[in-house]
Amino acid sequence: DVKVTQSSRYLVKRTGEKVFLECVQDMDHENMFWYRQDPGLGLRLIYFSYDVKMKEKGDIPEGYSVSREKKERFSLILESASTNQTSMYLCASSFPQGPNNSPLHFGNGTRLTVT
Amino acid sequence: AQKVTQAQTEISVVEKEDVTLDCVYETRDTTYYLFWYKQPPSGELVFLIRRNSFDEQNEISGRYSWNFQKSTSSFNFTITASQVVDSAVYFCAAGGSNYKLTFGKGTLLTVNP
Repeated sequence: DVKVTQSSRYLVKRTGEKVFLECVQDMDHENMFWYRQDPGLGLRLIYFSYDVKMKEKGDIPEGYSVSREKKERFSLILESASTNQTSMYLCASSFPQGPNNSPLHFGNGTRLTVT
Repeated sequence: AQKVTQAQTEISVVEKEDVTLDCVYETRDTTYYLFWYKQPPSGELVFLIRRNSFDEQNEISGRYSWNFQKSTSSFNFTITASQVVDSAVYFCAAGGSNYKLTFGKGTLLTVNP
């Protein structure tokens, strides 16, 4: 089975801190994604990557950046955390064809609270 | 770009009832893909089904069935004889000619014993 592991289940950070959310997948997937999930808004795509060192903006990239130095690892970075970034963050990966014809495999999520 | 609408925010049923979750999509792509995911209380989204736009056959998997109708742009999900373990948030999603997968806002299903 595909395993997507997010390093933290719960995280509490202060406003202005730099925050790193880590995600590792063990199935050699080329595509990796970061979504945030908020009540009433569903899942919204922040960034995705289809290869090492490649990244593309999703629908809500403002305030975030990403890093993909190794194929199995995709990091989401909050440069200066703000309270409106309090959310559930979900990492996902998929086969090379992308989400159009292959399912995303999700991690358990990181619930981030910014105070 | 796609748009996915799940009009039902919350549904509550009693065990053994049948329940249908609605999904309406909008897309300009001629080839597109539709998905359903389940998110139980543990939080991890679990893939349930993928349907390609060129395949309108309905599908049944145990107590789960999916009705894909291009004429109404709908991809509805029915659970027959619901069980408490079916309680979860269910997301419908659509993908087109790029890597992006657009999700609906989800439907919270509560199955009461």
